[in-house]
Amino acid sequence: DTAVSQTPKYLVTQMGNDKSIKCEQNLGHDTMYWYKQDSKKFLKIMFSYNNKELIINETVPNRFSPKSPDKAHLNLHINSLELGDSAVYFCASSQGPGSASEAFFGQGTRLTVV
Amino acid sequence: GESVGLHLPTLSVQEGDNSIINCAYSNSASDYFIWYKQESGKGPQFIIDIRSNMDKRQGQRVTVLLNKTVKHLSLQIAATQPGDSAVYFCAENRDRRALTFGSGTRLQVQP
Repeated sequence: DTAVSQTPKYLVTQMGNDKSIKCEQNLGHDTMYWYKQDSKKFLKIMFSYNNKELIINETVPNRFSPKSPDKAHLNLHINSLELGDSAVYFCASSQGPGSASEAFFGQGTRLTVV
Repeated sequence: GESVGLHLPTLSVQEGDNSIINCAYSNSASDYFIWYKQESGKGPQFIIDIRSNMDKRQGQRVTVLLNKTVKHLSLQIAATQPGDSAVYFCAENRDRRALTFGSGTRLQVQP
């Protein structure tokens, strides 16, 4: 049973398109995150939701919009994709926001914008 | 061997040797730290954590040391195996909202 699953694993798309990445966790956690990992492997927080409420929105262009229909799902929609959006996007979840507990990560979605 | 995790340096060790991966954290108010292992094509996986009221914690073949005076964290892997080859990240709960990750260190284990 996969704890945090995200789809698709690979996404290749043209500049200007709109795409979504889906994430689901079956751990019963209250908090979910999106991280972006660049080509140098640096992991940076983008968004965090706690019980469907946005608690972190880190200087991310408003072309990126997270959506949390329920606390087990956090999807990421990206409008007007740009070359610089190419990266690996990781969804994660934890028991509480930020906090003193580990975050569990999905397998990542490698987004390539051409 | 030892390494400081800046700009994804690489630490190369022989199988069976001990590895030490170092990390400097930024916020003296951080009170929780984690080491993650990321294998190629996978998401980060939890290895071990430590709270600021401790200075050492041991797991299976891994030990984390925390020096709050100089804001330094290290991960020691005993008897390094080829399966330990991965990128290792330290993370801190800098602002209590999400984990903040260091820049990572690539560990290569030579057979």
